[in-house]
Amino acid sequence: DPKIIQKPKYLVAVTGSEKILICEQYLGHNAMYWYRQSAKKPLEFMFSYSYQKLMDNQTASSRFQPQSSKKNHLDLQITALKPDDSATYFCASSQESSNERLFFGHGTKLSVL
Amino acid sequence: QQQVRQSPQSLTVWEGETAILNCSYEDSTFNYFPWYQQFPGEGPALLISIRSVSDKKEDGRFTIFFNKREKKLSLHITDSQPGDSATYFCAASANSGTYQRFGTGTKLQVVP
Repeated sequence: DPKIIQKPKYLVAVTGSEKILICEQYLGHNAMYWYRQSAKKPLEFMFSYSYQKLMDNQTASSRFQPQSSKKNHLDLQITALKPDDSATYFCASSQESSNERLFFGHGTKLSVL
Repeated sequence: QQQVRQSPQSLTVWEGETAILNCSYEDSTFNYFPWYQQFPGEGPALLISIRSVSDKKEDGRFTIFFNKREKKLSLHITDSQPGDSATYFCAASANSGTYQRFGTGTKLQVVP
């Protein structure tokens, strides 16, 4: 059973639209992350959360907004989508901090036309 | 700037050979170095990791060699199998850090 669930697995969007990527983890972890993977940047860190609080944001654009409604949820809202946003977005979690093993979901592959 | 570097970008070995994947880093505060294995269509999964207090970590056919002075480490995969064909990422983090930094990956192909 997957312990980190990402929805949807595939997503096609038109330029200028808005989408929400869903992430739920059932590992009882307190830290959650978003990474982006594309041909240009294999695994690029975006956000980290600890106990539902934002710890770090390395995303230059405010079009990307994480949302943590529950302890085990960390969704990613992307507005005004651009073709350059096309990538696979991975959610990950760890027990307490980034200085330990990360568990990754299977990713959401986003294509912006 | 790229804080974690990996080489080679791709590597092909014959079944049974030893594959050697290299990684280097810049930040001397990094003290945790996990290696992740990723198959197409899946997320990365931890393969083996080492902390900077050690210079070697072994787990079956997988061994990490760590050189703190030179800020380098390598992953050795002995008796390589076709099932080892995947992309391998070296990552690094610090006690005070808030996320793991990943290298650009090495795509390994093991030919039967």
